[in-house]
Amino acid sequence: QKEVEQDPGPLSVPEGAIVSLNCTYSNSAFQYFMWYRQYSRKGPELLMYTYSSGNKEDGRFTAQVDKSSKYISLFIRDSQPSDSATYLCAMIGDTGRRALTFGSGTRLQVQP
Amino acid sequence: DTGVSQNPRHKITKRGQNVTFRCDPISEHNRLYWYRQTLGQGPEFLTYFQNEAQLEKSRLLSDRFSAERPKGSFSTLEIQRTEQGDSAMYLCASSLTGPQPQHFGDGTRLSIL
Repeated sequence: QKEVEQDPGPLSVPEGAIVSLNCTYSNSAFQYFMWYRQYSRKGPELLMYTYSSGNKEDGRFTAQVDKSSKYISLFIRDSQPSDSATYLCAMIGDTGRRALTFGSGTRLQVQP
Repeated sequence: DTGVSQNPRHKITKRGQNVTFRCDPISEHNRLYWYRQTLGQGPEFLTYFQNEAQLEKSRLLSDRFSAERPKGSFSTLEIQRTEQGDSAMYLCASSLTGPQPQHFGDGTRLSIL
């Protein structure tokens, strides 16, 4: 079983919809949680960076972390066709290791 | 603000050849990371440097792989005697010291013929 599980999709939604993307994880040492967006043949682009449990909002994006359930979410409001990409969750502990552990990514398609 | 730069963007080579990739991190970042990503998967960690010191290596980094960061600025990743299974996107990231987010380049796509 992988340390971080993420539904690969594809997830197809109409323009303007609210999108919910999720990851579950098994390692309770993870403390920092990230969401990256990756367009085809490009590198991952950092969207959100959060520490421990709680919510963080940035424009149309909201990240939620529930450490008790080992569950993180990314919500996208008023989705646009330009949001069509693969979304990767990533996490890291504070044990001194610097390697990010990624989910396998969810492919999102926003239909105009 | 210049981001992480990787060269070349795409490398095609024959099995058994050696290849070298270069990464230029964001200028003030003293940490530099290498990851490998295959189709449909998330990036997998290979190694990381703090300044010129290589501090962590994954077991994925076989003895055919070597990475350097000689002056604590740019880094190179070399793969010797390439194999079909080395075909992947090789990503470089950089960050400041501490629990800071990692910023990625657009990668070098390696294709083995």
